[in-house]
Amino acid sequence: ELKVEQNPLFLSMQEGKNYTIYCNYSTTSDRLYWYRQDPGKSLESLFVLLSNGAVKQEGRLMASLDTKARLSTLHITAAVHDLSATYFCAVDNPSGGYQKVTFGIGTKLQVIP
Amino acid sequence: GAVVSQHPSWVICKSGTSVKIECRSLDFQATTMFWYRQFPKQSLMLMATSNEGSKATYEQGVEKDKFLINHASLTLSTLTVTSAHPEDSSFYICSAPQISGSIPGSAYNEQFFGPGTRLTVL
Repeated sequence: ELKVEQNPLFLSMQEGKNYTIYCNYSTTSDRLYWYRQDPGKSLESLFVLLSNGAVKQEGRLMASLDTKARLSTLHITAAVHDLSATYFCAVDNPSGGYQKVTFGIGTKLQVIP
Repeated sequence: GAVVSQHPSWVICKSGTSVKIECRSLDFQATTMFWYRQFPKQSLMLMATSNEGSKATYEQGVEKDKFLINHASLTLSTLTVTSAHPEDSSFYICSAPQISGSIPGSAYNEQFFGPGTRLTVL
């Protein structure tokens, strides 16, 4: 059974600081997704990581994937209040073919002005 | 990108009644859609896979007689919560996947999520 673990679960940080969120998964997969969710809203796709060593950046967020370590990171640079949200990673679930994904529990990020 | 809508966005109902939630893919066809449930401050839990023209596939622990899924067309899946109780109160999200990526070996599963339906059962 595929397990996806995120840490930390909750993160409070001041504006301008840097931090990294980690996503570990238990079985082989080379498709990993990061999503953002604002309170009461659905999920917004941030990054799709397709191969070992993939790195993608958008604004103050950068995501990377190490398929050998089964680890993805979401790095926040110089955080701003607008980044406050819950961030989920998700991994393609082999048992469901390529269409099914398993989500991590989420990391709630609070950026304090 | 592709758009998925859900209706209604918020519903409050009395215990014992049934509630239907619609999920539509607006500009693409979806032979498969997924239904998730999210309790406050928790992750998305996959409830079932909705398959156009055939029976839905339910995840372990999800009662198929309680959560009826119908995928009657390539753009519409419905989830009916039958005899709803307060413990069924949750945020229900659907998604429809599309395969993206034109380079061989780079195809990936891009999920398009609906805006969610908040169900409150009194």
